[in-house]
Amino acid sequence: ETGVTQTPRHLVMGMTNKKSLKCEQHLGHNAMYWYKQSAKKPLELMFVYNFKEQTENNSVPSRFSPECPNSSHLFLHLHTLQPEDSALYLCASSQEFRRGQQGYTFGSGTRLTVV
Amino acid sequence: GDSVTQMEGPVTLSEEAFLTINCTYTATGYPSLFWYVQYPGEGLQLLLKATKADDKGSNKGFEATYRKETTSFHLEKGSVQVSDSAVYFCALSDQTGIQGAQKLVFGQGTRLTINP
Repeated sequence: ETGVTQTPRHLVMGMTNKKSLKCEQHLGHNAMYWYKQSAKKPLELMFVYNFKEQTENNSVPSRFSPECPNSSHLFLHLHTLQPEDSALYLCASSQEFRRGQQGYTFGSGTRLTVV
Repeated sequence: GDSVTQMEGPVTLSEEAFLTINCTYTATGYPSLFWYVQYPGEGLQLLLKATKADDKGSNKGFEATYRKETTSFHLEKGSVQVSDSAVYFCALSDQTGIQGAQKLVFGQGTRLTINP
């Protein structure tokens, strides 16, 4: 148990489907992150939230829509995805910067396949 | 901006061999440095960290020393096991975001395979 829980672990969706990924942490962290990990590519930071406010969006296509209702929960809403969006989507959480640099705690990821 | 460079993989070793995975960085200020490990089908797990120059992080037989003079944070283990097979990521904390969330900059990852 890493402290960050992602559901589902695996997801297969068609290009016309709408689905959501969920991330939950009870570590008392105030920052949450979405990363995309594709085969043979570096980790790609997608979104950053701090105290529920989005502080970074790294030019992510609008077919990915994040939602952070509170500091413990983070969602990634997916619609009209493309096959190249197939990847492992990782959620992470951390303390905010001024409380020390302890690094991130990652979830186990959601393996997404777009067919 | 800040960046992390790791040695190219994949790395293949025999069990009980000595391991070194090189990591160098460029950064403004004094970042904290991290090694993460990712086992097949899993997310990244923090392996060890160091927060200031000359600090040595250690865990599960792995070690890395924060070398400011050479801007390096090489990962070492004296005797590897098959169970160490994984992808290893070096990372630093970006100091530019003093307010708000921590921001880690990751290397590209090094795949390690240990053969029995």
